[in-house]
Amino acid sequence: AQKITQTQPGMFVQEKEAVTLDCTYDTSDPSYGLFWYKQPSSGEMIFLIYQGSYDQQNATEGRYSLNFQKARKSANLVISASQLGDSAMYFCAMRVSGGSNYKLTFGKGTLLTVNP
Amino acid sequence: DAGVIQSPRHEVTEMGQEVTLRCKPISGHNSLFWYRQTMMRGLELLIYFNNNVPIDDSGMPEDRFSAKMPNASFSTLKIQPSEPRDSAVYFCASSLAGGTLTDTQYFGPGTRLTVL
Repeated sequence: AQKITQTQPGMFVQEKEAVTLDCTYDTSDPSYGLFWYKQPSSGEMIFLIYQGSYDQQNATEGRYSLNFQKARKSANLVISASQLGDSAMYFCAMRVSGGSNYKLTFGKGTLLTVNP
Repeated sequence: DAGVIQSPRHEVTEMGQEVTLRCKPISGHNSLFWYRQTMMRGLELLIYFNNNVPIDDSGMPEDRFSAKMPNASFSTLKIQPSEPRDSAVYFCASSLAGGTLTDTQYFGPGTRLTVL
């Protein structure tokens, strides 16, 4: 079975600084995809970034980048130059290949607060 | 482009009443997912449709829950009769093709259901 662990229930960062949100995963499948979603207080789930297990480079999307360390089974989200609007819940999720490859397994999330 | 549309955004009802949640997926997406989010259990997949056909309903809590997808642009999740423990945020998500690792699920704004 797949498992996503987000060990930081809450994180604080000063505006304009960078912050790293931790995510570790557990799977025996060599082929998998990792996703990060943002959930602001308004409630919607917003897709941020994707990393495939065979991708040679770390994924980047604007101010978001993924620090993918395959041997350590970690896929940490790095947000550069934090903004007040980055305050939200952040979820890491994983999908593996195989029969139920449509399923996303989510972590419990990290609540990020950006201070002015 | 319009994202996933859900209605209503908020629903307050009394125990025993029927509740119907609605979802319009992104045009061209052939996979649709219903999720439930609670503080205790996080995000849970309730049911997955592919090309309007239910593929996996193993997450549906019990017979009180039912879901339909009569066409590619509309799905409903019905709870009858509703109970207080059904109170949660219900998300609909859609994706281009549910069976690939890179397939990204795009979520609707959610319906916050409160059963009194």
